[in-house]
Amino acid sequence: DIQMTQSPSTLSAFVGDRVTITCRASQSISSWLAWYQQKPGNAPYLLIYKASSLESGVPSRFSGSGSGTEFTLTISSLQPDDFATYYCQQYNSYPVTFGQGTRLEIK
Amino acid sequence: EVQLVESGGGLVQPGGSLRLSCAASGFTFSAHWMSWVRQAPGKGLEWVANINQGGSEKRYVDSVKGRFTISRDNAETSLYLQLSSLRAEDTALYYCARVASDGSGYWGHWGQGTLVTVSS
Repeated sequence: DIQMTQSPSTLSAFVGDRVTITCRASQSISSWLAWYQQKPGNAPYLLIYKASSLESGVPSRFSGSGSGTEFTLTISSLQPDDFATYYCQQYNSYPVTFGQGTRLEIK
Repeated sequence: EVQLVESGGGLVQPGGSLRLSCAASGFTFSAHWMSWVRQAPGKGLEWVANINQGGSEKRYVDSVKGRFTISRDNAETSLYLQLSSLRAEDTALYYCARVASDGSGYWGHWGQGTLVTVSS
């Protein structure tokens, strides 16, 4: 199974900050990576697919990059609505696996 | 508008069974792979099972193989998950999710989930 490891597990930041979350795969997954945002009590919300493609309707302050085993999700200027938990997910091979999540908190 | 509405969750004893349903609308159900993804209370996301458009191909995470069965009824635009031999560690919110239109294994549409609690 491909293990997905996110860092950091928790991130504290101010509104307006630029933040980056990293996701590492235990083996190459090419660009078969997605990022989701989840708020308490809600289902996950797709932000990025194929490592860097922005899902329709997602604000342009979100961006993804990387390939192979190392990937990043960047939020260019944090907004109050962005404080949530973020998950990466590989879909290169079965079983599909997720990172453990990164909780983004208000500083 | 794509809608996925899960039902069928509840409290069940260890070793028991339950059938989850997901009613889909707002898209051509028969054209999409579908999935179940679960989330234990306060924990992360775990993919459970996938089924292809016609129901002939099914994939499962190892921890549920032989205990859970995914199925679908394209005429009824519904997805199902039969859970049996349930364990405490199966306690989770179970989401129904639609696989991307090109078949790539990510999900752009999710239901709100149905809670399964396994406890005596």
